[in-house]
Amino acid sequence: AQSVTQPDIHITVSEGASLELRCNYSYGATPYLFWYVQSPGQGLQLLLKYFSGDTLVQGIKGFEAEFKRSQSSFNLRKPSVHWSDAAEYFCAVASRGYNKLIFGAGTRLAVHP
Amino acid sequence: GAVVSQHPSRVICKSGTSVKIECRSLDFQATTMFWYRQFPKQSLMLMATSNEGSKATYEQGVEKDKFLINHASLTLSTLTVTSAHPEDSSFYICSARDVAGVSGELFFGEGSRLTVL
Repeated sequence: AQSVTQPDIHITVSEGASLELRCNYSYGATPYLFWYVQSPGQGLQLLLKYFSGDTLVQGIKGFEAEFKRSQSSFNLRKPSVHWSDAAEYFCAVASRGYNKLIFGAGTRLAVHP
Repeated sequence: GAVVSQHPSRVICKSGTSVKIECRSLDFQATTMFWYRQFPKQSLMLMATSNEGSKATYEQGVEKDKFLINHASLTLSTLTVTSAHPEDSSFYICSARDVAGVSGELFFGEGSRLTVL
């Protein structure tokens, strides 16, 4: 069965510092991979996705993620965090048939000034 | 990007009443929509897949008689929480896939917060 693990429940960084949010997945083949961001009481916004091709994916708001097949990982990175990046971040996986998304537990990001 | 709208965004109801939540794709057609439930500080759990013109497919453990889903048109799916109880209080989020889009990307609604007193 597909599953997604986000090991870090809560992360705090200083504004301007770099950020890496971890995501590991369990799936028999190469899945579709996604990162979403959710502000409090809001829906989800897609940051980036990986379907195939270049394993380093660029997204919106300066985020990027790297698919590493050998580690079954799809970590999200940003070189310099802004206070507005404080939110909940969800990694998700979908089968190649793209029937449904399975979400990780989420990582809550706090940004200190 | 494509827009998915949910209504109402917040609803408070008494225990035993039924509540309907609408999910609309505003600028694209969606043959498939998905309903998720999110408890406070938790992840999204898929409840069911809503298929236009046919019965919804429910995930294991989700009561289909409790959570009625209707996908009457290519732009509208509704979730009705029947005989709501306080444990049904949650954040319900829908998503829709733009089948005409290149990647078939999923777009999410803003969510509907249900509070059952």
